[in-house]
This record gives sequence, structure tokens and C-alpha cells, in this order.
Amino acid sequence: GENVEQHPSTLSVQEGDSAVIKCTYSDSASNYFPWYKQELGKRPQLIIDIRSNVGEKKDQRIAVTLNKTAKHFSLHITETQPEDSAVYFCADGTGYSSASKIIFGSGTRLSIRP
Amino acid sequence: DGGITQSPKYLFRKEGQNVTLSCEQNLNHDAMYWYRQDPGQGLRLIYYSQIVNDFQKGDIAEGYSVSREKKESFPLTVTSAQKNPTAFYLCASSLGRGGNEKLFFGSGTQLSVL
Repeated sequence: GENVEQHPSTLSVQEGDSAVIKCTYSDSASNYFPWYKQELGKRPQLIIDIRSNVGEKKDQRIAVTLNKTAKHFSLHITETQPEDSAVYFCADGTGYSSASKIIFGSGTRLSIRP
Repeated sequence: DGGITQSPKYLFRKEGQNVTLSCEQNLNHDAMYWYRQDPGQGLRLIYYSQIVNDFQKGDIAEGYSVSREKKESFPLTVTSAQKNPTAFYLCASSLGRGGNEKLFFGSGTQLSVL
């Protein structure tokens, strides 16, 4: 992908509420949309990903939705817990060539209020 | 993800000096990436390589150089031409060629200017 915009840059939610982070991409050839979580002082870790042939994917409290027509995808975290506090990055990728790469958004710092 | 190792953890560069950051993986991954992370910002792509002896420039390649002589190694040199090198540098790898697979990150190198 060529450009990924991520919003909001910071998000604070009450414990138990839901959090939503949104990203838009520009490259029509993008076909892979992962989300990474980076806790303080640690390396980013993949938490969920979705490919362009799927509209939604869930894994327990985490879900990702993709709207290819609008070129945007979102991360949904339900029943938030203190351990969800971290920086979340969306990314997009275009596969199958030597020039294929993964580009990241600018990140969202999520804080969970007790 | 102990299969990808970055060294050193902290590195200091003097004015006009080139420094090299090491990234080694024993995961037999084809693709390797270098990202730069500045405080409060996302992961910006410096260089990437989908196959041995081939690499591509990312969005912020100026002032950096890489080599990919071996599958398991992808060192990054920060040259004196990079005027603002202070940042956290993350190396990553993925199993297949193409920007559509899970990235495994190293633990990072913090580079500072003396």
C-alpha cells in the first residue's frame, strides 16, 4: 500500500466499554490488512488480520471490518480491559512481487480508564 | 519471537560516523524489513528485502543503506548523511515473499546521537 491514515491518534475509554480505531488506505491493489499491538517498551505483535476477500473477522473480543469500496477498515475491541492499554497500528500490504511491502498507520494510543 | 535478533540494544553515534545495526533471523523467512519509530509516530519503512541479493527502498531510505547477502541477515547502516538519526529501529521478517504475511519483529535498537 502507498498510504495509510489512522484515527484517532489517542483514545480513552471506560473499562468495559468498546473502542473503535479506523484506517483508510489509498492503494487499490492492497489486499492484506493487519493490526498490531505495541505495549510500552515491547515489540509490536500481530493481534488480528484480514484479507481483501473477507468483510469481517472476529477473535474473541477483537474484530476487524473491511470496506473495500470505501477503502477503509476498522478495529473493534469490546468489553475493554486494563491490559488493552497500548498503541495500536493498522497496516496494509500488497502481495506477490519483489516490491511488495507492508505500510503502517501512525498509531493510536488507547488508554482504558478504571 | 526469539527467532529474530537485533543488536545492539542501545547505540550511540558521533557526528560524521556511520553505524551498523544488526538483524539476524533463524526462522528461514524470505522477507525482511527495517522500520523507524519516532516518539508518538508510527512505523516508517526504510528498506525491505523479499529475497537474498535484492532489496527495495521504503518511504524514508535517504541516509541509510542495507545489504542482503544471506537469507538470515539484513544489516542496516545509518550513514553520516542521515542528519536526524535518533530513533528506535525495528527489524521484522515474514515467511513468504510479498507484503501479505504476519511480521515478526525484533526487540529493536535505540540509536542516539552524541
